[in-house]
Amino acid sequence: EVQLVESGGGLVKPGGSLRLSCAASGFTFSDVWMNWVRQGPGKGLEWVGRIRRSVDGGTTEYAAPVKGRFTISRDDSNTMVYLQMNSLKAEDTAVYYCVTDFSRAYFGSWGQGTLVTVSS
Amino acid sequence: EIVLTQSPDTLSLSPGERATLSCRASQSIDNTYLAWYQQKPGQAPRLLIYSAYNRATGIPDRFSGSGSGTDFTLTISIVEPEDFAVYYCQQFGGSPPSFTFGPGTKVEIK
Repeated sequence: EVQLVESGGGLVKPGGSLRLSCAASGFTFSDVWMNWVRQGPGKGLEWVGRIRRSVDGGTTEYAAPVKGRFTISRDDSNTMVYLQMNSLKAEDTAVYYCVTDFSRAYFGSWGQGTLVTVSS
Repeated sequence: EIVLTQSPDTLSLSPGERATLSCRASQSIDNTYLAWYQQKPGQAPRLLIYSAYNRATGIPDRFSGSGSGTDFTLTISIVEPEDFAVYYCQQFGGSPPSFTFGPGTKVEIK
């Protein structure tokens, strides 16, 4: 069974940094592209970014609102994916989900999410 | 960037009725890269339909998707009590590639 467990959320001041972690199990992690998707309080879903498999170069893509501020990385040996968030803004307040890729165009399995609150 | 709109905002139904949810794109979606997700309160979304009409693993056949180009539909043939939730459509495309979601349709008990 696929399991994705996010951690690292919390309260941070505007301009601050936070690193989210996602522990993956139940599948061959190194074979899967991984995504982060967020959901603001009472709001809809927003794709944050994704990282390809290491064999595909481990390259990343980001949504425009976070490009240059957020960085996704992966550790295949420990089946972990990370989201480093810098220069945080109030509008980054959201539940952040770790999500597996499905057919390169969709989102397969989701974690339970971790809440990030950016407030002074 | 392709913008998705969903209608209606809220659909009030009784169990046993048919649900028809609409998703419209601001421009044609290539290769029918269109999916539907279900989200219940306090839970993560779940993939229901991909490539416009393919059901994901384990999804009951009362859920069906249709459409192409800019207009897509999710149909629940007979709404069950566990189907009351928010439904999002999602598209993939563009250069550089990007994902966008619609604002969601809430299916509530009448």
